[in-house]
Amino acid sequence: EVQLVESGGGLVQPGGSLRLSCAASGFTVSSNYMSWVRQAPGKGLEWVSVIYSGGSTYYADSVKGRFTISRDNSKNTLYLQMNSLRAEDTAVYYCARDIVGTHGDYITSDYMDVWGKGTTVTVSS
Amino acid sequence: SYELTQPLSVSVALGQTARIPCGGNYIGSNNVHWYQQKPGQAPVLVIYRDDNRPSGIPERFSGSNSGNTATLTISRAQAGDEADYYCQLWDSGTGVVFGGGTKLTVL
Repeated sequence: EVQLVESGGGLVQPGGSLRLSCAASGFTVSSNYMSWVRQAPGKGLEWVSVIYSGGSTYYADSVKGRFTISRDNSKNTLYLQMNSLRAEDTAVYYCARDIVGTHGDYITSDYMDVWGKGTTVTVSS
Repeated sequence: SYELTQPLSVSVALGQTARIPCGGNYIGSNNVHWYQQKPGQAPVLVIYRDDNRPSGIPERFSGSNSGNTATLTISRAQAGDEADYYCQLWDSGTGVVFGGGTKLTVL
């Protein structure tokens, strides 16, 4: 069965750090594009970051320079290292498997077909 | 940056047809995808690439996309369809973009 399970969320003070994990089963993380998407309390979905199968990484402007997406192929696990956390980073963080699409000359993420249940990050003093 | 506009809420009578619009500049030239999210749960893909249903999604769910509006249509609405629905696309200047979400109420 294809499954994603996030962990690592919790309460952290502003300026602190946290590393989220997303363990995959039923497919190989390194062969897929993988994303993190977050949802602040009572708000909509916000894309955070993606890592391509080739290793390229991209970030939303709101987290660029503070968050780092990575993966451990041996553990079939995706990570999100979050530094310099702010109150506005408070959210449920989902990892998702991306299906690839072509957009003109680009091969990029198209949509997310598998989602984890999410892990909650609260940034507060 | 590219923006997708959705109404905050849509209501539909039980058994009738609900239509949830998603507006964007020339959205018809992009692939649009739709997710259903029930309270406390992760999003679930219900329509991909404008009008395709993943396996396990009822035929009552359909999609269309033309001009400046993409639409998710839910026929014969059921109480279990009450949820938030999000449209999404990929834009060359912005990357992955989600609409703000629409809360569907079945009366």
